[in-house]
Amino acid sequence: DIQMTQSPASLSASLGETVTIECLASEDIYSNLAWYQQKPGKSPQLLIYDASSLQDGVPSRFSGSESGTQYSLEINSLQSEDAATYFCQQHHDYPPTFGSGTKLEIK
Amino acid sequence: QIQLVQSGPELKKPGESVKISCKASGYTFTDYAMHWVKQVPGKGLKWMGWINTYTGKPTYADDFKGRFVFSLEASASTANLQISNLKNEDTANVFCAREQPGGFAYWGQGTLVTVSS
Repeated sequence: DIQMTQSPASLSASLGETVTIECLASEDIYSNLAWYQQKPGKSPQLLIYDASSLQDGVPSRFSGSESGTQYSLEINSLQSEDAATYFCQQHHDYPPTFGSGTKLEIK
Repeated sequence: QIQLVQSGPELKKPGESVKISCKASGYTFTDYAMHWVKQVPGKGLKWMGWINTYTGKPTYADDFKGRFVFSLEASASTANLQISNLKNEDTANVFCAREQPGGFAYWGQGTLVTVSS
């Protein structure tokens, strides 16, 4: 199975700041990477697909990028509603595998 | 609009069985596969497998072979997951999710299965 190593496990940032969350794939996944946001008691919401494509309805302050097997999610101009846990997921090969999650706290 | 509505929470004893349903609406059910994802409370996400909603063929992740059965009631646009011989470690929130190219764009609200004696 492809392993997705996600970091950091948690972070705290202030309103208006920019944060970056990263996922390292154990092998080449050819941009087949999605990012999800999950709030407590809710189901995950797709933010980014194919590494950098913004899902319909998702604010443009969310963006995705890649460099080799390293994938990043950047959130600009942090807002209070961005407090959540974020997961990456590869869909290049079966089984689809998820990163362990990053819990984002807004100060 | 596209919705996946799952059945309610379940409290079961070890050794019992449970059946979770996921009713889809807002699209043609047989056009998209349905996936199942497990999340232990406070933990990460684990893909359980998927079912081809056109043929009914299920595919199970390695950790979910044997006690887990995916099925369909296609006429009712519903996918089901049955878990038999429940164990304490089956306690989790279970989600159905509809794929789109690139990811799981639609998710059910989750069904909490609690296994406790």
